[in-house]
Amino acid sequence: KAGVTQTPRYLIKTRGQQVTLSCSPISGHRSVSWYQQTPGQGLQFLFEYFSETQRNKGNFPGRFSGRQFSNSRSEMNVSTLELGDSALYLCASSYAGTGGEGYTFGSGTRLTVV
Amino acid sequence: EDQVTQSPEALRLQEGESSSLNCSYTVSGLRGLFWYRQDPGKGPEFLFTLYSAGEEKEKERLKATLTKKESFLHITAPKPEDSATYLCAVRSAVGTGANNLFFGTGTRLTVIP
Repeated sequence: KAGVTQTPRYLIKTRGQQVTLSCSPISGHRSVSWYQQTPGQGLQFLFEYFSETQRNKGNFPGRFSGRQFSNSRSEMNVSTLELGDSALYLCASSYAGTGGEGYTFGSGTRLTVV
Repeated sequence: EDQVTQSPEALRLQEGESSSLNCSYTVSGLRGLFWYRQDPGKGPEFLFTLYSAGEEKEKERLKATLTKKESFLHITAPKPEDSATYLCAVRSAVGTGANNLFFGTGTRLTVIP
C-alpha cells in the first residue's frame, strides 16, 4: 500500500515569506500529526488533526497552523518565516491517532529559510 | 515536564561488536515508550513499543527493554546495514500534546565493516 506522501521534498524560502506543506496519509488513516525536526532539538510535536479537527497542539507560536481536509489530507502553513524555522517537517498518519504503534511517517519536507 | 535523554549521541561499532543504547525518561503517566530507526533523508521507521517495566521485545539483532526510568536498545552482532539514527519517544497521558510522542534527540550509530 502507498505510504505517507509529503510534498514538496525540498523548499527554499526567504525570511518573511509564508509556506504551505502538504501531507497525504495512508488510505484509511484519519489522524495526521506534524513534527519539526532540527539537529539541536530533535523531533518536536506541532499539532495533530483527526477527522478535520485539531485535536492536540504543541508549544509553537501561532505562525504555525494547519488544517485537514475531508479526504484526510493535511496541510501546514508557516507565516512570516524566520531563519530558525529551517528544519525537516515530518508528518505521521495513523488510524486512530493514538501515537507510536501504527504511526507511519513520511519522508519529510526539508525547509530552508534564507 | 516530559523529558527524554538518549546516550550516547553517537556510537561507532565494528561489525559484530555488540552494544547498548540508552534512553532515560521522565513522564507523567507513561502510555508507552517507542523506539524508531531513522535513515538519512527518510522519516522515522517504527521498531518497538514497550508499555510496562520488565517488558522486552526483539526483532532480528535488536532487543528493547524497559525499566521505570529508562529503556535500552541492545544491538547484538551489528551489521553495516544497522547504521542509522535510533530515536526513543514516550507517550504521556497528560500535558501538551498528550497522546502524541515526545522524542529524544537520538543516537547516531555507525557500524564499520
